[in-house]
Amino acid sequence: SAVISQKPSRDICQRGTSLTIQCQVDSQVTMMFWYRQQPGQSLTLIATANQGSEATYESGFVIDKFPISRPNLTFSTLTVSNMSPEDSSIYLCSAFAGFDTDTQYFGPGTRLTVL
Amino acid sequence: AQSVTQLGSHVSVSEGALVLLRCNYSSSVPPYLFWYVQYPNQGLQLLLKYTSAATLVKGINGFEAEFKKSETSFHLTKPSAHMSDAAEYFCAVSDYGSSASKIIFGSGTRLSIRP
Repeated sequence: SAVISQKPSRDICQRGTSLTIQCQVDSQVTMMFWYRQQPGQSLTLIATANQGSEATYESGFVIDKFPISRPNLTFSTLTVSNMSPEDSSIYLCSAFAGFDTDTQYFGPGTRLTVL
Repeated sequence: AQSVTQLGSHVSVSEGALVLLRCNYSSSVPPYLFWYVQYPNQGLQLLLKYTSAATLVKGINGFEAEFKKSETSFHLTKPSAHMSDAAEYFCAVSDYGSSASKIIFGSGTRLSIRP
């Protein structure tokens, strides 16, 4: 398995501001993933982050709103830009890690509330 | 395109009773199938997975699931529910054999346990 940590665990932000979420994996991984879980709903993939290349965004998500960095094989950040109350969600990062290359492991999530 | 359907957004059983959470999938290639559990205010934890080996898969906490290709199902069961099983359960599917595959999540089933 893999240990994935996220910071911050939760935050309350004002409309129009931006928040950067950090994700750290305890081993080197090729791909990391960012998901959004809106209140009471399932997980939706935002983007896939490869080290050394641009992130690949899913339909409905754009780089200007959700810029992603992937500076090395154990770390990634997701920024939620120009936030509105509709961005209030749990944001989770995940990765295929260790020897278990067919299973995604998830971080604990960042609970974001936008006022 | 792959998809997952979870029947029943909320299931309630008595402590000690059988737990059955239903999941049907759609995939044009042999799928990998997963059940994840999310306890309140926590991230996702892998319960079990099917990756084309044995069709009956045993996971953690006494849960198991059976892959039935003819029914395109991967239902989750536990013979005797415990109060600590109360959580949200997500069925998920990904492409066969690719660690770079996306995971598509079902809408989730909230399991409640009655004393």
